[in-house]
Amino acid sequence: QAQLTQSGAEVKKPGASVRVSCTASGYNFPNYYLHWVRQAPGQGLEWMGWINPKSDVTHYSQKFQGRVTMAKDTSINTAYMELTSLTSDDTATYFCASGTSTVYFYYMDVWGKGTTVTVSS
Amino acid sequence: EIVLTQSPATLSLSPGERATLSCRTSQNINTYLAWYQQKPGQAPRLLIYDASKRATGIPARFSGSGSRTDFTLTIASLEPEDYAIYYCQIRSSLVSFGAGTKVQIK
Repeated sequence: QAQLTQSGAEVKKPGASVRVSCTASGYNFPNYYLHWVRQAPGQGLEWMGWINPKSDVTHYSQKFQGRVTMAKDTSINTAYMELTSLTSDDTATYFCASGTSTVYFYYMDVWGKGTTVTVSS
Repeated sequence: EIVLTQSPATLSLSPGERATLSCRTSQNINTYLAWYQQKPGQAPRLLIYDASKRATGIPARFSGSGSRTDFTLTIASLEPEDYAIYYCQIRSSLVSFGAGTKVQIK
């Protein structure tokens, strides 16, 4: 059974950076894009970008260009998302998600439970 | 960037009623659209992909239709567990989600 396990909640001060990890199991991690999606409290879903674990190619939403870095370590089936220069607007739950079949290309049929990031002074 | 517009923002229906949710895109996307369900405190769940194909394990009361710029998610007869927020998403290298439709109990 495909699963994504995310790292625990974080509390950061404005101006700091945060790194969230996402470990895949039960499917062939290198073969499928890994997306990051965030959701501010009471708000909708906001796509941040994806990484191709096989090639290291990334594609970021223009909104986060320059502030986000997505990386992976295929030896441990883990993806990372780092967001810098945090402000209170970055307070949100951050999800990793992936499609686990070729028919789900650019769709997301497996999701992590989410990592809550709180930015507060 | 393709904009997705979901309507209505909120739908108030009783159990057993039919729910019809709309998603319109600002450009022709053929049938490259998915629908997700999200309940409070949970991650989204993929319901429909490529506009009309049910994802694995999704009940038959969920159906999707549409193409080009107009898409519909239909829940044939609402069950208590169907009250949630529904999002549409385009299949593209530049992923985008709609703002969501909340289906609440009337």
